[in-house]
Amino acid sequence: DAGVIQSPRHEVTEMGQEVTLRCKPISGHDYLFWYRQTMMRGLELLIYFNNNVPIDDSGMPEDRFSAKMPNASFSTLKIQPSEPRDSAVYFCASSPAGGQGQGYTFGSGTRLTVV
Amino acid sequence: AQSVTQLDSQVPVFEEAPVELRCNYSSSVSVYLFWYVQYPNQGLQLLLKYLSGSTLVESINGFEAEFNKSQTSFHLRKPSVHISDTAEYFCAVSEWNTDKLIFGTGTRLQVFP
Repeated sequence: DAGVIQSPRHEVTEMGQEVTLRCKPISGHDYLFWYRQTMMRGLELLIYFNNNVPIDDSGMPEDRFSAKMPNASFSTLKIQPSEPRDSAVYFCASSPAGGQGQGYTFGSGTRLTVV
Repeated sequence: AQSVTQLDSQVPVFEEAPVELRCNYSSSVSVYLFWYVQYPNQGLQLLLKYLSGSTLVESINGFEAEFNKSQTSFHLRKPSVHISDTAEYFCAVSEWNTDKLIFGTGTRLQVFP
C-alpha cells in the first residue's frame, strides 16, 4: 500500500483565496482524520470521519473551514477565504478502527503558506 | 476529557547517552497510550503503543516506554541514543470509548556527536 497520500505537498496562496487540500486514505481504513500543526498550538484535531460521515468537527476553527469525504478513498479540506493565520502544516491520517488500539497512519502533510 | 502533557519542549543529549522523554496524561477512564516520532518534513510515525497487559512496551529501534497508572505517566526511554534519533516525539492518548487521539505538544530530541 502506498500509505496515506496528501496533495499538494506545498501550497502558497494569497490572503482571500480559496485553498483545497486533498487526502487519499489507506484502502480499507474506516476512519479519516484532519490535523493542523503549528508551532504555537502543536497538533490540533480539526475533524474526523467514520465511513465517510463526519463524526466530530468541533476542532474546525471557523466557518471558513470545511471538509468533505465524498467516498472512501478521498477527502478534502477547504479554506475559503484563506488568512495568514491559517499558515500551518495540515496532516491527514487514517485508521482501520479509530484511535482505539490501532494508532493512525499519517500522510506527509501539506505545508500551507498564506501571504 | 483527556489531555496530554509533555513537560520538556527540547531535550539535548550527546550520542550514546541515555534519554528519557516525559509524558503525563489526564483521563477519568481507561486509556490507550502512544508515542509517535516525526522526522523533519515528514508525517508522524507510530513508535510504540500501550493497550493492555505488560506495562513495559518496546519499539524495534531500542526505545521503550512504561505505563504507570498511579502516576498517570508514559515516559519514553532509550539507554543509548544515536544521531539518527534526532526528531520530534509526540505522546498521544485515546480513551477506550472514543475514536480520537489527543496529542501532546511534542518534545524535540537533539542528539549531538
